[in-house]
Amino acid sequence: NAGVTQTPKFQVLKTGQSMTLQCAQDMNHEYMSWYRQDPGMGLRLIHYSVGAGITDQGEVPNGYNVSRSTTEDFPLRLLSAAPSQTSVYFCASSYPGGQGGVPYEQYFGPGTRLTVT
Amino acid sequence: AQSVAQPEDQVNVAEGNPLTVKCTYSVSGNPYLFWYVQYPNRGLQFLLKYITGDNLVKGSYGFEAEFNKSQTSFHLKKPSALVSDSALYFCAVVPQGHDKIIFGKGTRLHILP
Repeated sequence: NAGVTQTPKFQVLKTGQSMTLQCAQDMNHEYMSWYRQDPGMGLRLIHYSVGAGITDQGEVPNGYNVSRSTTEDFPLRLLSAAPSQTSVYFCASSYPGGQGGVPYEQYFGPGTRLTVT
Repeated sequence: AQSVAQPEDQVNVAEGNPLTVKCTYSVSGNPYLFWYVQYPNRGLQFLLKYITGDNLVKGSYGFEAEFNKSQTSFHLKKPSALVSDSALYFCAVVPQGHDKIIFGKGTRLHILP
């Protein structure tokens, strides 16, 4: 199994540009999520999905869109990049262990380091 | 508001000594609790979890954690630290009845040779 894969590993954007960060998993996990990691801020949840066709907002959703058309893929779209979106982005997946799709332990991808100038 | 606190930004421990990384939480009901580790320039790796049952849970790399309901804490421990344990450690919580995961801000652990 490849686990959770993310592309690209590094990206530099200019303010106002758009792009999609790709995330895929081959473990048949229902639950997938996107986080951003900033120094001193820990991990903050952007969007998450409890299954194909279902997405919901996390703590910091503004400026980002997601969709979940398949179990395997969960792309994150930056609509109009801003310097405040400079960060490291992690995708994660997990199987739902509890009632209502509550996630158990998550498997993380290697991350995408994004710089917006 | 529901939250997770890791009160120490950094913990320094001499190699061979016991280590503790603290985590406290403020959430409703009976939460799921997790610890993750992040090595430099890597994604996070799962260490251990508490769902229900025995308050002392054992995980990867010799780590363990104790769930204390009265103190709403879930501290990470290891009896004898290794230099290779140096990394960033995150506590995470899923509140009862919720499907969002809340992460702490992380604690950087330095093991001194």
